[in-house]
Amino acid sequence: GDSVTQKEGLVTLTEGLPVMLNCTYQTIYSNAFLFWYVHYLNESPRLLLKSSTDNKRTEHQGFHATLHKSSSSFHLQKSSAQLSDSALYYCALSDHYNQGKLIFGQGTKLSIKP
Amino acid sequence: GGIITQTPKFLIGQEGQKLTLKCQQNFNHDTMYWYRQDSGKGLRLIYYSITENDLQKGDLSEGYDASREKKSSFSLTVTSAQKNEMAVFLCASSIGRVTNTEVFFGKGTRLTVV
Repeated sequence: GDSVTQKEGLVTLTEGLPVMLNCTYQTIYSNAFLFWYVHYLNESPRLLLKSSTDNKRTEHQGFHATLHKSSSSFHLQKSSAQLSDSALYYCALSDHYNQGKLIFGQGTKLSIKP
Repeated sequence: GGIITQTPKFLIGQEGQKLTLKCQQNFNHDTMYWYRQDSGKGLRLIYYSITENDLQKGDLSEGYDASREKKSSFSLTVTSAQKNEMAVFLCASSIGRVTNTEVFFGKGTRLTVV
């Protein structure tokens, strides 16, 4: 079945350094959608960005990601980390087989230090 | 915009107790979900419902029951709380069985079993 892998459970960075959170996925369907959700403490998880187009960069709120179907990857990046970026980040997959249900990765906690 | 309201925010139960978590949404969404959030394990689907009175099991349904008596509400019952169990339960909703649709979340119910 479908699966999403986020290998890093915790990423700790100094403010101002670039961010890269890894996400790889497995699905037999070519029309998969990939998502990044962000969960700030004491708030609801919310959508950060999504894509289904191969090799096209998607951007939102300073973050960007590019879906690479050849490597089944959808890594989240930001050029310069801010303290306010500290949160839990989930990569997720949806496809026709799952009828819109999201399959989430294990989550990566991003901790930004001054 | 809409909102998803989960009650209670905090739930303390005793081992073996039957506990019910409630969720209301005013998006007028067809599909509702219950996810369990555990550190290092991501968001795992317990139950979902694609319309009123529909129930579909997720990967983690054992030990839980659910009820969707109205389009706007979806409740989850822990049938027998396990001692020392701690988790956050997230309710969510979306338009329907569309692969690229955004899923909206509530703020969660934090369960502690003593």
